[in-house]
Amino acid sequence: DAKTTQPPSMDCAEGRAANLPCNHSTISGNEYVYWYRQIHSQGPQYIIHGLKNNETNEMASLIITEDRKSSTLILPHATLRDTAVYYCIVRVGTGNQFYFGTGTSLTVIP
Amino acid sequence: KAGVTQTPRYLIKTRGQQVTLSCSPISGHRSVSWYQQTPGQGLQFLFEYFSETQRNKGNFPGRFSGRQFSNSRSEMNVSTLELGDSALYLCASSHLLNEKLFFGSGTQLSVL
Repeated sequence: DAKTTQPPSMDCAEGRAANLPCNHSTISGNEYVYWYRQIHSQGPQYIIHGLKNNETNEMASLIITEDRKSSTLILPHATLRDTAVYYCIVRVGTGNQFYFGTGTSLTVIP
Repeated sequence: KAGVTQTPRYLIKTRGQQVTLSCSPISGHRSVSWYQQTPGQGLQFLFEYFSETQRNKGNFPGRFSGRQFSNSRSEMNVSTLELGDSALYLCASSHLLNEKLFFGSGTQLSVL
């Protein structure tokens, strides 16, 4: 069964905020939500992660709902270089086994 | 600090052959994970090593194997290659377990 559900694709105008949603209704209380992105033919790049509080770093902000069943990744000012597939993932059990899902293909439009 | 290095970048093999892929993690990182990426199945976890011990294994046949050396470098091996093994194989490292992963650029394997 899917750990995360994301829309398959989204568009965003350059300079505007990109809001990428993710549902993770089966997440356990101690499981973190991670966001990675992958530009074509490259390895995934870490963006941000969180448990239950909202998080912000130099790349993005992560908003997690109070019930932790969904989250939103926010790229505050999208640029053309942000065009990529964005994965919302959770860790499976202990260790570094992640379930990636199908991701959201974000296209930033000039 | 150098990133995760995977070699070779591209590889072409024929059915029935075997292949070995190499991964050098970021200096100081002790955990190495391997993922397979295909257009149909997406990113799928293969296995994970920490301090030379396999900690987790994904749902792949026994033809897929790996190992980690004392310097944390890792190799994965696929024997008796099938057409369906054509994929981008990604290696990721982290300092410890339960930390964010840093991925390499991958090895693109084509099986003819």
